[in-house]
Amino acid sequence: SAVISQKPSRDICQRGTSLTIQCQVDSQVTMMFWYRQQPGQSLTLIATANQGSEATYESGFVIDKFPISRPNLTFSTLTVSNMSPEDSSIYLCSVESGGNEQFFGPGTRLTVL
Amino acid sequence: SQKIEQNSEALNIQEGKTATLTCNYTNYSPAYLQWYRQDPGRGPVFLLLIRENEKEKRKERLKVTFDTTLKQSLFHITASQPADSATYLCALASDYKLSFGAGTTVTVRA
Repeated sequence: SAVISQKPSRDICQRGTSLTIQCQVDSQVTMMFWYRQQPGQSLTLIATANQGSEATYESGFVIDKFPISRPNLTFSTLTVSNMSPEDSSIYLCSVESGGNEQFFGPGTRLTVL
Repeated sequence: SQKIEQNSEALNIQEGKTATLTCNYTNYSPAYLQWYRQDPGRGPVFLLLIRENEKEKRKERLKVTFDTTLKQSLFHITASQPADSATYLCALASDYKLSFGAGTTVTVRA
């Protein structure tokens, strides 16, 4: 298993600003994932972040809007850029264990005014 | 287009009864299927994984079946307890990526 922490746990931001979310894992992992969960909806994969390479983005998500860093095997950041109210959501990071299950962080609840 | 449907948004059951949740999918060929539990304000927690060549998996009071012909998974919570109240998500795996259903919220009444 893996224990994942995220910072901040929640934030309220103004339109047009950017927020960087941090994800820290208690063990070294190859693959980290970033998801978005909009109010009342399920999880949607934003991108996969591997250490030492560019993140791979899913359809509908672009690097300019959601830049990701993965400087080492235990840490990643997701930035939500030039925010609008439509970006209000919960953002979650996860890692995959050797057994294919994913372990999720507690999420970052973002509100954009 | 690809679609994952979970049978209903909400399921209310009496304590001690069995809750049965359905996950149907179209236009996927998943290598495996997973079920997660999500409590309000928290990230999903992994419960069970079942592979395409497996028919049934059990873990304590939980049972999952997987029918690749019907493109359906059933998730059972037996002898349900109020502590089982949560939203349950099915997720299909393709390569290393997961696609999630919208979830079914289960409420167990004492």
